[in-house]
Amino acid sequence: DAKTTQPPSMDCAEGRAANLPCNHSTISGNEYVYWYRQIHSQGPQYIIHGLKNNETNEMASLIITEDRKSSTLILPHATLRDTAVYYCIPSGYALNFGKGTSLLVTP
Amino acid sequence: AAGVIQSPRHLIKEKRETATLKCYPIPRHDTVYWYQQGPGQDPQFLISFYEKMQSDKGSIPDRFSAQQFSDYHSELNMSSLELGDSALYFCASSLMGLAGLQETQYFGPGTRLLVL
Repeated sequence: DAKTTQPPSMDCAEGRAANLPCNHSTISGNEYVYWYRQIHSQGPQYIIHGLKNNETNEMASLIITEDRKSSTLILPHATLRDTAVYYCIPSGYALNFGKGTSLLVTP
Repeated sequence: AAGVIQSPRHLIKEKRETATLKCYPIPRHDTVYWYQQGPGQDPQFLISFYEKMQSDKGSIPDRFSAQQFSDYHSELNMSSLELGDSALYFCASSLMGLAGLQETQYFGPGTRLLVL
């Protein structure tokens, strides 16, 4: 499984964009990059995934570098309800959650 | 949209007892996964099933077993429970895509198991 590196914690002011980085330099060519989040003790929630093109959905945008060694999840207008642990997971199958980034959105 | 259903949501057991957790996947999903999340830990993959066959195995203790039934629901059976088995247990489901790759996993709300 590819290893990931994410900052352990980040803060973001409500209404501002939250940019969460992830390094996955050992990702395989056929592994997608998945992003999930977990709000305290709830089931992990799928956010977005991509292979090599940038992706956008109603929740977030995903920017993947051309060499696929890193990606950034963008929450364009963070709200207090976006406070959660965010996991970047290169995956072909079983999810290896790693440590994630604890995002705190402040008023 | 229908989500993954897990039951029970909360369970309290004594040491050395057995427990059975159930998971009902999203309709049409053919693959289920089980994850364990200890206190202050990140979720860890236990085991998965595709079309009633075990498809992958993670850090599942030998005291645990699981199966997937013909209606695609799955059960995680835990025997000789230990204090360290106290955790959140999540089930996720996905659909095998046309290219033979598993599509996105969607998680249930979890079962909180407390072993006393």
